[in-house]
Amino acid sequence: KQEVTQIPAALSVPEGENLVLNCSFTDSAIYNLQWFRQDPGKGLTSLLLIQSSQREQTSGRLNASLDKSSGRSTLYIAASQPGDSATYLCAVRWYGGSQGNLIFGKGTKLSVKP
Amino acid sequence: GAGVSQSPSNKVTEKGKDVELRCDPISGHTALYWYRQSLGQGLEFLIYFQGNSAPDKSGLPSDRFSAERTGGSVSTLTIQRTQQEDSAVYLCASSLGGATGELFFGEGSRLTVL
Repeated sequence: KQEVTQIPAALSVPEGENLVLNCSFTDSAIYNLQWFRQDPGKGLTSLLLIQSSQREQTSGRLNASLDKSSGRSTLYIAASQPGDSATYLCAVRWYGGSQGNLIFGKGTKLSVKP
Repeated sequence: GAGVSQSPSNKVTEKGKDVELRCDPISGHTALYWYRQSLGQGLEFLIYFQGNSAPDKSGLPSDRFSAERTGGSVSTLTIQRTQQEDSAVYLCASSLGGATGELFFGEGSRLTVL
């Protein structure tokens, strides 16, 4: 069964700290993995998309890595700011998988304290 | 349009009434997803459309829920005889067809059933 797990469910850090969010998945035969952020009461905003042939993607202070063999992706946030406070979700796309070939993790709720 | 558009943004209805929620995907996107998110919870897959293929309806919670996609573009999610447990945010997302497309979300339709 294809599953996506995000641990921890919640994380609180002081402003300025570098941090890592984790996403693990069963079945390494993926097409891609996408990271999103969700602010309260809002839809999901796409942050980074990593294709299966890539090892990492960067956007500003964000860096996402992908290790298919171990079934893991990490989202690194440098020099965290209070504005980074949100829930971060990862979604994995598999060939021939269920739910439109796309499975979401339950997210990590990040709180950055000033 | 520039992004995924959903309407209405908020809907309050009485138990037993029918509601329709609309999703206008990004132009040219052939894949369209509907999700439900209850307060403080993760995403619950409802239905997936891909081009002219038969939709994946495996996530629809009951036969009160249905969805259609006309002309391969706009989609309507219909909930008949609404119940209080249907109260949630209904999110729509679209992507280019195929396995590698980046997923984009609308802002959601918040449904409250009194």
